[in-house]
Amino acid sequence: RKEVEQDPGPFNVPEGATVAFNCTYSNSASQSFFWYRQDCRKEPKLLMSVYSSGNEDGRFTAQLNRASQYISLLIRDSKLSDSATYLCVVTRNNAGNMLTFGGGTRLMVKP
Amino acid sequence: DGGITQSPKYLFRKEGQNVTLSCEQNLNHDAMYWYRQDPGQGLRLIYYSQIVNDFQKGDIAEGYSVSREKKESFPLTVTSAQKNPTAFYLCASRGQFNQPQHFGDGTRLSIL
Repeated sequence: RKEVEQDPGPFNVPEGATVAFNCTYSNSASQSFFWYRQDCRKEPKLLMSVYSSGNEDGRFTAQLNRASQYISLLIRDSKLSDSATYLCVVTRNNAGNMLTFGGGTRLMVKP
Repeated sequence: DGGITQSPKYLFRKEGQNVTLSCEQNLNHDAMYWYRQDPGQGLRLIYYSQIVNDFQKGDIAEGYSVSREKKESFPLTVTSAQKNPTAFYLCASRGQFNQPQHFGDGTRLSIL
């Protein structure tokens, strides 16, 4: 079993749609969680950290379920510019000094 | 502006040749990392360093070497022992524990 698993997609959605991505992780020692966005042939960029209580940043909402070892990202009112690959990332240990990356979920927003 | 700079952007390696990828950061971060990304794949950790003059192997260190003589710099050498070096190489740095890592814009390495 992979340490961080994501549905690779692609998710093809129309502009304005709401789309949700899920991610599961296997290491119960993971302490911190992040969503990164990666555009084609570019470096990953931090989208948002994920907090236990859930957090929102504009059209983006992240949720964490520690008991089920499950993380989600919800994107509302999708824009063409949201087309990218979304990487689920978790720390490997209590020290938080190493990350494990999921393989990413590809989103394509169509006009 | 503060950030992480990788160079070169594109690099070509001949058979049997060692090549070195540069990574410099002016964020005053202690920890630095090297990852490899293959097409359609996730990032895999090659080496990391949490402090000057110290570094640790990651998941796929064979065929690679690093040094950390200065806080700002963490160069990666792809040696001739790495038989499949074609990939996108990403350098990252991190401030405090449990904070996210920030990436340079990568180096694409190909075989001639």
